[in-house]
Amino acid sequence: DTEVTQTPKHLVMGMTNKKSLKCEQHMGHRAMYWYKQKAKKPPELMFVYSYEKLSINESVPSRFSPECPNSSLLNLHLHALQPEDSALYLCASSQVLGRRYGYTFGSGTRLTVV
Amino acid sequence: EDKVVQSPLSLVVHEGDTVTLNCSYEVTNFRSLLWYKQEKKAPTFLFMLTSSGIEKKSGRLSSILDKKELFSILNITATQTGDSAIYLCAVEGGVRKTSGSRLTFGEGTQLTVNP
Repeated sequence: DTEVTQTPKHLVMGMTNKKSLKCEQHMGHRAMYWYKQKAKKPPELMFVYSYEKLSINESVPSRFSPECPNSSLLNLHLHALQPEDSALYLCASSQVLGRRYGYTFGSGTRLTVV
Repeated sequence: EDKVVQSPLSLVVHEGDTVTLNCSYEVTNFRSLLWYKQEKKAPTFLFMLTSSGIEKKSGRLSSILDKKELFSILNITATQTGDSAIYLCAVEGGVRKTSGSRLTFGEGTQLTVNP
């Protein structure tokens, strides 16, 4: 299995809703990442988990709450989002050491906040 | 702050042409430079470069890194319409080897290959 699987693929939510994005990989990677990508822009790092511990938070607003329940799963809990949070949310994973093959990205969740 | 600059931002060529995409960077604790191809969804991995002067090749694509001058190029020979995509350059930096690392992406080069 050489894939990162993200669900759902599309999500429309209101500003008062609570929802979660899910990411799963079975490559034994111990680093997992959330990126946000706005239209026609490059991905921007949000969070990094290393060995299931949060190691980097790029000053992301608290309405985004990451969780890494085990080495294969990464969640992003969403609450009270704003329309400007609409974007493609990409999950990625990598080895922590010796990242010879780079990072593997999931297909993303296209989020629309209404 | 880490910075990655790609050029050109947009390129239109005909099938069979050869293209060169450029990426320059400034990053603290440089660990690697990566090239990705992005069509509609997730970026797909092309190359990871860590050492200067060693060319990496995969079919019609090749890439090389110059760590002294802080840049990389991605070459595509005999382009095909299927090469049309955004090509992203990303540089990996980090604080500690065991902390995971951050990828900083450039704006990308939008390549269009016309028949």
